[in-house]
Amino acid sequence: ETGVTQTPRHLVMGMTNKKSLKCEQHLGHNAMYWYKQSAKKPLELMFVYSLEERVENNSVPSRFSPECPNSSHLFLHLHTLQPEDSALYLCASSQSGDSNQPQHFGDGTRLSIL
Amino acid sequence: GQQVMQIPQYQHVQEGEDFTTYCNSSTTLSNIQWYKQRPGGHPVFLIQLVKSGEVKKQKRLTFQFGEAKKNSSLHITATQTTDVGTYFCASIKAAGNKLTFGGGTRVLVKP
Repeated sequence: ETGVTQTPRHLVMGMTNKKSLKCEQHLGHNAMYWYKQSAKKPLELMFVYSLEERVENNSVPSRFSPECPNSSHLFLHLHTLQPEDSALYLCASSQSGDSNQPQHFGDGTRLSIL
Repeated sequence: GQQVMQIPQYQHVQEGEDFTTYCNSSTTLSNIQWYKQRPGGHPVFLIQLVKSGEVKKQKRLTFQFGEAKKNSSLHITATQTTDVGTYFCASIKAAGNKLTFGGGTRVLVKP
């Protein structure tokens, strides 16, 4: 399934670096999401954008900064991350921001913080 | 705390056998969605249940939503090696609007 594309697939960065994760959806959806998946915790919702407006910010530290320039693209800007931020970051999209819509996930970015 | 608890966390199944994984909540749920994540892959939507007592089938998979809308189950018959992966339930609280994922059941199949 190539409906939701995430780049890069893998990222290794130091704690002082700044990097960005990119997500693009080709499904014509109006809502996009960022999730964090680590071995210790279930899928954690980080941010929700519906029609390019942020509708959910799930108490995420400010070192994670999302950006949604249009309904097809979503970014997650990273700066001064901590080792505990190492995880798989998944992007998803859905037809609308209604939580009863199925979500379509990308393959994720595997992030490692040195 | 976590909205839904999934049990078991891990399930080792002999190929050809049946197994069931459960998703339980202390509060009434608006709906239940089930996803499957293959090793190294991403979650893929399987099905959504909305009505009390609803049962849906997909080939060897049977999904059920409890009468009180507080629990759900996924039953797989005649397990195959292709069933390997982690099965997540996700739900919205009644009168809520945020989809929350359970911890998942990781299924390993012994050939």
